[in-house]
Amino acid sequence: ELKVEQNPLFLSMQEGKNYTIYCNYSTTSDRLYWYRQDPGKSLESLFVLLSNGAVKQEGRLMASLDTKARLSTLHITAAVHDLSATYFCAVDILGGADGLTFGKGTHLIIQP
Amino acid sequence: ETGVTQTPRHLVMGMTNKKSLKCEQHLGHNAMYWYKQSAKKPLELMFVYSLEERVENNSVPSRFSPECPNSSHLFLHLHTLQPEDSALYLCASSQSAGNTEAFFGQGTRLTVV
Repeated sequence: ELKVEQNPLFLSMQEGKNYTIYCNYSTTSDRLYWYRQDPGKSLESLFVLLSNGAVKQEGRLMASLDTKARLSTLHITAAVHDLSATYFCAVDILGGADGLTFGKGTHLIIQP
Repeated sequence: ETGVTQTPRHLVMGMTNKKSLKCEQHLGHNAMYWYKQSAKKPLELMFVYSLEERVENNSVPSRFSPECPNSSHLFLHLHTLQPEDSALYLCASSQSAGNTEAFFGQGTRLTVV
């Protein structure tokens, strides 16, 4: 059974600071996804990481994937209030067609 | 506009009621999914349809009954639900079941009373 663990589950930080969210998963996969969810809203796709060593950046967010360590990170640089949201990582089983397995999410609050 | 539309956005139903959730995708995708998001649990995959055929059913109680009449529409029929079924139900679609970059609808907030 594929397990996906995120940490931290809750993070409160100040604007201007840097921080990293971690996503570990338990079985072989080379496809990892990061989503953002604002309160009461749906999930918005942020990054799709499709190979070992993949790194993608969008604004103040950067995501990376290490398939050997079964680890992905989402790094926030110089955080701003608008990045407050819940961030989910999700993994699918290599070669599978079973949909995504999600982590519990990281609830991020960025205070001015 | 995400390309995946769910209705209704909010639903309150009694335990003896029968209701249906609707999902429509305008992305030309061949796979559609139902997920359940509860307050204290990770997103749970409920059903996967690929080209209108169900390919996954994650031990979901029979009081939830999916229907996929065509590749653009997905329904979740609900009957005799329990209060613990109250959750946000999210529909998603992807190009194929093996390509799981999923695009999500806005969700239906279901409350069972």
